[in-house]
Amino acid sequence: NAGVTQTPKFQVLKTGQSMTLQCAQDMNHEYMSWYRQDPGMGLRLIHYSVGAGITDQGEVPNGYNVSRSTTEDFPLRLLSAAPSQTSVYFCASSRSLAGVGETQYFGPGTRLLVL
Amino acid sequence: GNSVTQMEGPVTLSEEAFLTINCTYTATGYPSLFWYVQYPGEGLQLLLKATKADDKGSNKGFEATYRKETTSFHLEKGSVQVSDSAVYFCALHSGGSNYKLTFGKGTLLTVNP
Repeated sequence: NAGVTQTPKFQVLKTGQSMTLQCAQDMNHEYMSWYRQDPGMGLRLIHYSVGAGITDQGEVPNGYNVSRSTTEDFPLRLLSAAPSQTSVYFCASSRSLAGVGETQYFGPGTRLLVL
Repeated sequence: GNSVTQMEGPVTLSEEAFLTINCTYTATGYPSLFWYVQYPGEGLQLLLKATKADDKGSNKGFEATYRKETTSFHLEKGSVQVSDSAVYFCALHSGGSNYKLTFGKGTLLTVNP
């Protein structure tokens, strides 16, 4: 199993550009999520999905879109990049999140710099 | 709402020293508690977890006990190694239809030879 994969590893954007961060998992997990990690802020939830066709907002959803057309893939779209979106983005998955003690599996991250 | 507070870092220790990273939480109901570790340049991975009061999670020499009376889940290791240098995150999940894992801000640990 490859686990959770993310592409690209690093990206530089100009303000106003759009891009898609890719995330895929091969563990048949129902639940997938996107976090951003900023210094001193820990991890903050952007969007999550509890299954194909079902998505919902997390703590910091503004400026990001998601969709979940398959169980495996959960792309994150930046509609019009802003310097405040400079961050490290992590995708995570788990069998579900309603169960007791479910473990989340994280991808290696995408480092994004918006100029 | 749910929240997790962990001790501010960075923490710098010499090899073989004793490690404690404090974590306290606020949550409704009976949450599951986790410690995740992030090694340099990598994503987070589960270190250990506990799902009910008085449970002890353990892995790789690390331990943490779920203390409901003090709402704490402190991480300990008796003898740290250079390879333990990483960022450690305490987290909780309150279960049910709450699909959010709440993280602390992370504690950077550096172990010197």
